[in-house]
Amino acid sequence: AQKVTQAQTEISVVEKEDVTLDCVYETRDTTYYLFWYKQPPSGELVFLIRRNSFDEQNEISGRYSWNFQKSTSSFNFTITASQVVDSAVYFCALSEGTSGTYKYIFGTGTRLKVLA
Amino acid sequence: GAVVSQHPSRVICKSGTSVKIECRSLDFQATTMFWYRQFPKQSLMLMATSNEGSKATYEQGVEKDKFLINHASLTLSTLTVTSAHPEDSSFYICSAPRTGFSRTEAFFGQGTRLTVV
Repeated sequence: AQKVTQAQTEISVVEKEDVTLDCVYETRDTTYYLFWYKQPPSGELVFLIRRNSFDEQNEISGRYSWNFQKSTSSFNFTITASQVVDSAVYFCALSEGTSGTYKYIFGTGTRLKVLA
Repeated sequence: GAVVSQHPSRVICKSGTSVKIECRSLDFQATTMFWYRQFPKQSLMLMATSNEGSKATYEQGVEKDKFLINHASLTLSTLTVTSAHPEDSSFYICSAPRTGFSRTEAFFGQGTRLTVV
């Protein structure tokens, strides 16, 4: 069965601190895709990153970085030098299949609060 | 800019009435679209897969007679919440996959916040 676990329900940090959001997934497929989305209070989903199961390279985009480890089925997200504008709910998601059915299985989300 | 448009963004309706939510792919055709529901402070849960030209596929536990889905064209899917009740108050969001040069990716609409009073 497919499942995405985000064990951290809520995290509070002080501005400029680094913070890591954890994501652990379960799937039987060998081909799958992992995503991170940001959901600000307005509700829309802001796409952050997509990773396929064959690409274990870590990625850095500005203050954001992602650590994908198939051995531990984890896809963690780190924000460096956090800012108040980073406050939002962050979702990790999984999509399976070679054709990419694009039915997403979302984790329960992590609410990040960055305090000034 | 947005490639999937959802309308309305917010709606308040009286208990017992029906509400229609539209999801449009703006510059591409989507034979499949997906509808998700998000209760306050909870995750997004897939409700159903909307298929152009055929019946929608509903996830377990989702009442198909209550949540009517019509994929009227290759760019439009609608979700109608029939005889809405306060417990149907939620955030509804659609997505549509678009095939590009090297990959297909799903795009999400802006979401619709439904409040049933």
